[in-house]
Amino acid sequence: GAVVSQHPSWVICKSGTSVKIECRSLDFQATTMFWYRQFPKQSLMLMATSNEGSKATYEQGVEKDKFLINHASLTLSTLTVTSAHPEDSSFYICSARVSQYGKLFFGSGTQLSVL
Amino acid sequence: SQQGEEDPQALSIQEGENATMNCSYKTSINNLQWYRQNSGRGLVHLILIRSNEREKHSGRLRVTLDTSKKSSSLLITASRAADTASYFCATEPNNNDMRFGAGTRLTVKP
Repeated sequence: GAVVSQHPSWVICKSGTSVKIECRSLDFQATTMFWYRQFPKQSLMLMATSNEGSKATYEQGVEKDKFLINHASLTLSTLTVTSAHPEDSSFYICSARVSQYGKLFFGSGTQLSVL
Repeated sequence: SQQGEEDPQALSIQEGENATMNCSYKTSINNLQWYRQNSGRGLVHLILIRSNEREKHSGRLRVTLDTSKKSSSLLITASRAADTASYFCATEPNNNDMRFGAGTRLTVKP
């Protein structure tokens, strides 16, 4: 099956630093990538939808300048958490798919801890 | 925002029993999908049911869809300890915005 690679798996950083998370589709071209945030024992909250070559569509309440998304190619999307603060600590998961309405392939997630 | 609600929030059963989880959603859909998540991991796609389908099977999984009630159910038959995970339904209310329900945490006791 299709594989989505997400790195890093976990990161600990100091407050005020920026963290970049990569999401790669290894064996398929992803027309769309989704970024989610998940708190313990809760569901996935959609942060933004990213289409290759165009600006990401952010969900209401998600700060564009805080969570920078770049989808430069059909196989790579990055999420940068800028000037991270403790409240940004969370589990971030990316997913990708080939076609509209198709199933999603998920990365393994990134646990971010901001001290 | 999330698209739907799932119930129960948590379900604990014995190995060999069947597990049924329900999902309700709010808007019209093209399809509804079910995913599984092991703790601290990404999600794995289980099954997709289109809006013009009423029931679908895949191994020990059975999914139903009632578009008039905007609800779906996932049945896992003959459960195993390895089925312990969280299960989520997902839809796209606005096209190109896959949203997940609250999820059901299933525990299967050996």
